[in-house]
Amino acid sequence: GQQVMQIPQYQHVQEGEDFTTYCNSSTTLSNIQWYKQRPGGHPVFLIQLVKSGEVKKQKRLTFQFGEAKKNSSLHITATQTTDVGTYFCAGYTGNQFYFGTGTSLTVIP
Amino acid sequence: NAGVTQTPKFRVLKTGQSMTLLCAQDMNHEYMYWYRQDPGMGLRLIHYSVGEGTTAKGEVPDGYNVSRLKKQNFLLGLESAAPSQTSVYFCASKDPGMNRKLFFGSGTQLSVL
Repeated sequence: GQQVMQIPQYQHVQEGEDFTTYCNSSTTLSNIQWYKQRPGGHPVFLIQLVKSGEVKKQKRLTFQFGEAKKNSSLHITATQTTDVGTYFCAGYTGNQFYFGTGTSLTVIP
Repeated sequence: NAGVTQTPKFRVLKTGQSMTLLCAQDMNHEYMYWYRQDPGMGLRLIHYSVGEGTTAKGEVPDGYNVSRLKKQNFLLGLESAAPSQTSVYFCASKDPGMNRKLFFGSGTQLSVL
């Protein structure tokens, strides 16, 4: 069945360091979305990528969608304590979203 | 504008008890979803609905039932709770626009003893 894997599972960084999480799907996706979940909170939509090779930026966050539409990445430049949380990718296909296992980011002040 | 509202927020059940989780959205969305979140496993889809009166199974439907009698409400039922159903449950509805983004409720922490 559909699988979306995400690595790493955990990442601890010093404030100011960069952070990257990677997402890989076993099948081609229609699009991919990224969500952020703060500790104790619920997932909140960040962005959607649709086109092969697409790159989008939101301030210090850069999102990429692979050429084959099977992988994606989220890169945060110069992390801040407000970036703490778990980041999930979600591949959309067949009316369903398949979520990755998430990367929990801890930022050490 | 409340968005997606889930009740209850917390619940403790004994094995074999039944309960219903309620999800209500006020955005007139057609698509609604129920997920469970377990440590290290991300969000797994239990059931979903593409409109009033319709439901479909997701990745982990066993032990759960759902109903969508009204467009704004999506109910998740556990007929005979088991410890393996201890989890955080999230309901979500999908924006029909190009974004297709999911709006999540605040979640229900369920413990089955």
